[in-house]
Amino acid sequence: SQTIHQWPATLVQPVGSPLSLECTVEGTSNPNLYWYRQAAGRGLQLLFYSVGIGQISSEVPQNLSASRPQDRQFILSSKKLLLSDSGFYLCAWTWGGESYTFGSGTRLTVV
Amino acid sequence: KQEVTQIPAALSVPEGENLVLNCSFTDSAIYNLQWFRQDPGKGLTSLLLIQSSQREQTSGRLNASLDKSSGRSTLYIAASQPGDSATYLCAVYNNAGNMLTFGGGTRLMVKP
Repeated sequence: SQTIHQWPATLVQPVGSPLSLECTVEGTSNPNLYWYRQAAGRGLQLLFYSVGIGQISSEVPQNLSASRPQDRQFILSSKKLLLSDSGFYLCAWTWGGESYTFGSGTRLTVV
Repeated sequence: KQEVTQIPAALSVPEGENLVLNCSFTDSAIYNLQWFRQDPGKGLTSLLLIQSSQREQTSGRLNASLDKSSGRSTLYIAASQPGDSATYLCAVYNNAGNMLTFGGGTRLMVKP
């Protein structure tokens, strides 16, 4: 069966520090991978998606970047965090337009 | 650009009531529609997926319908329970099936 892992679950980082969030999927090949952000009291915003290794599409210009070094690995990064980067980050995968599956999320607080 | 709206934004009901959550979308050229549940501080749990060729899906006490021509979907919850308390999110697939657009959610509270 397919599973999605996302870590860490919570993270508190100072302003200006770097960020790396990782997401991995097991039990499937060549999935579409996604990073979403959910700010406090707001809806889900698509940040990045990837249809293959090294292929990244950005939906919102911002202080973040994404990479897909392996087929089932998706990484969200920042060189210098801003206060506005605080939020709940969710990774998701799908294949062939079927059901989307989400990870358990990372709560990021920038202080 | 697809826009997804969920009404009501919040709902509080006594235990045992049947209830309907509404989702509307502006572009009817969708691939699929998926309903999710989100508990506070948690990720999204898939409830029902309605494929574009289907009009409804059922799972236990949940029933979701889809009317693409009118740009609407409803999630029906029968005999609500306190454990149903959560935020319910509607998400619409674009025509290529590779992107989701979410509604703002309905925050449901079922009181014992």
